[in-house]
Amino acid sequence: DAGVIQSPRHEVTEMGQEVTLRCKPISGHNSLFWYRQTMMRGLELLIYFNNNVPIDDSGMPEDRFSAKMPNASFSTLKIQPSEPRDSAVYFCASSSLAGRYTGELFFGEGSRLTVL
Amino acid sequence: DAKTTQPTSMDCAEGRAANLPCNHSTISGNEYVYWYRQIHSQGPQYIIHGLKNNETNEMASLIITEDRKSSTLILPHATLRDTAVYYCIVPSGGNTGNQFYFGTGTSLTVIP
Repeated sequence: DAGVIQSPRHEVTEMGQEVTLRCKPISGHNSLFWYRQTMMRGLELLIYFNNNVPIDDSGMPEDRFSAKMPNASFSTLKIQPSEPRDSAVYFCASSSLAGRYTGELFFGEGSRLTVL
Repeated sequence: DAKTTQPTSMDCAEGRAANLPCNHSTISGNEYVYWYRQIHSQGPQYIIHGLKNNETNEMASLIITEDRKSSTLILPHATLRDTAVYYCIVPSGGNTGNQFYFGTGTSLTVIP
């Protein structure tokens, strides 16, 4: 089985540019999570979706960040305009809520973003 | 939301058991305890979870105290590849209970 697939793995961009990170969850999973990891703040939950619907976006740092899940097999996290402080590793994870949730989050390999 | 506290770091000799403690004194009756680990630069990896009873799988054992206010993750024979940050999490989120907030975890170093 393919795991959670994220792209790009690495992105270097200049301040002010738009950045789009992509995630393909595991087929059949109905929950999707976006996390951001930095040395200073650790792993932060940005937003999560159940059945393609955003449930809690309270972790999204500001209006420059937006996330969408147009269908069960694809999600994007967009930063516009990007700033150097957005430099981090962004992880996508998915899980299944079939029956009582198993709670096992499956993480992708992450997208390392560097904003110059 | 039940919060967890873990020691910042621990060392363990290779081949010995690694016992990683976690306090979750505000846990409620229907909340599970989950353990994940993150090896440098990789995404976190699920290890084990439990509610009341002790649990064991191919990776580790989870011991939960009777009052459920603390738990211990046991790696029975630690190897160098077990060097990682270990996170103890009690998910929040009402009935769905699937908002996983990762704290700072315990950085485990397995020493040759």
